[in-house]
Amino acid sequence: DTEVTQTPKHLVMGMTNKKSLKCEQHMGHRAMYWYKQKAKKPPELMFVYSYEKLSINESVPSRFSPECPNSSLLNLHLHALQPEDSALYLCASSRPTSAYEQYFGPGTRLTVT
Amino acid sequence: DAKTTQPPSMDCAEGRAANLPCNHSTISGNEYVYWYRQIHSQGPQYIIHGLKNNETNEMASLIITEDRKSSTLILPHATLRDTAVYYCIVENSGYALNFGKGTSLLVTP
Repeated sequence: DTEVTQTPKHLVMGMTNKKSLKCEQHMGHRAMYWYKQKAKKPPELMFVYSYEKLSINESVPSRFSPECPNSSLLNLHLHALQPEDSALYLCASSRPTSAYEQYFGPGTRLTVT
Repeated sequence: DAKTTQPPSMDCAEGRAANLPCNHSTISGNEYVYWYRQIHSQGPQYIIHGLKNNETNEMASLIITEDRKSSTLILPHATLRDTAVYYCIVENSGYALNFGKGTSLLVTP
């Protein structure tokens, strides 16, 4: 199984809402990643988890809160987002020693109104 | 500063080889060249990577020049399903994939 799943596929939320994005993989990968991708732009790294611990935060605003409850799951908690946060949010996983070979999920398309 | 330079777009006829160039003139000795692609509405997909030697797998071939300042990704028999944005990435950080602007490849019938 080389699949990374993400839910929901689409999410519309208001600026005062709290929502969460979920990501799951069963490849035994111990590194997981969140990326943000704006329209017609390349993906940008947000967070890296290694062995369930946050190892990289690319200066992401605190309204985005990642969580890695176990080695298969990765969440991204959203609160008080702005319209400019509307984007495709991609999750990826890899072996920690092979970060060059990341497996990506299909993404969650987020719209903030 | 971008580590790689790629043409913004390319066309290729179905069944022909697609040769996607990438310039990485400032590459350092321990940096690898990675290629990913992103088909519309999907997440990026790892294709291949290399350090010095040419590499081949079931998806593509990677040709790296002897001075390592440029490389070419070759899709030997392009199909319509190969239409995607192709990203050439140079990294040695061990964790980060810094995607550049990529090349939008259109395979036509």
